[in-house]
Amino acid sequence: EAGVVQSPRYKIIEKKQPVAFWCNPISGHNTLYWYRQNLGQGPELLIRYENEEAVDDSQLPKDRFSAERLKGVDSTLKIQPAELGDSAVYLCASSLDGGTGGGYTFGSGTRLTVV
Amino acid sequence: TQLLEQSPQFLSIQEGENLTVYCNSSSVFSSLQWYRQEPGEGPVLLVTVVTGGEVKKLKRLTFQFGDARKDSSLHITAAQPGDTGLYLCAGAGAGNNRKLIWGLGTSLAVNP
Repeated sequence: EAGVVQSPRYKIIEKKQPVAFWCNPISGHNTLYWYRQNLGQGPELLIRYENEEAVDDSQLPKDRFSAERLKGVDSTLKIQPAELGDSAVYLCASSLDGGTGGGYTFGSGTRLTVV
Repeated sequence: TQLLEQSPQFLSIQEGENLTVYCNSSSVFSSLQWYRQEPGEGPVLLVTVVTGGEVKKLKRLTFQFGDARKDSSLHITAAQPGDTGLYLCAGAGAGNNRKLIWGLGTSLAVNP
């Protein structure tokens, strides 16, 4: 099993530029999450999908962030335009049972640096 | 608002020492998970505790869920440099609430 695959691993962009992250979850996991994590801190949920439906996007800054999960499998997270404060690691995770029992499986993340 | 407080935030110890990390809340959780994260990687699930008072062991790591399911601890015996990382606890709400509440993490450094 390949695990949760994210790309790219690293991204450096200038402020005001757009950026997109891609995630391929574990096959059969219907719940997908995007998290943002700052150095040395816990992850902060941005959005949660149940299949193709976004069921919790209350923490997503909708003025500049957008996400989609077409066909309930792969997902993309986009920032447009990026700001300096968006520099962080963006983690994608998936789970089979909503994560409360078997936990989440995380990808390795995308480290974004906005200069 | 549910909160999970982890302590200590940072811990630097020598190889062979024992340590305990705490995760506390005023809220009741249906289950609680512990993750370990190495630099440049995503968190990896270590254990899930479900029953109040439950104790689980994973080699030198001992996890305990409080009787009231509001708190948990992680004890590491004879720490090794390979234990270095960020330890995160995450609590699951009761009922149909599938949202995990995350602690801020404990950054552990074990020096040889």
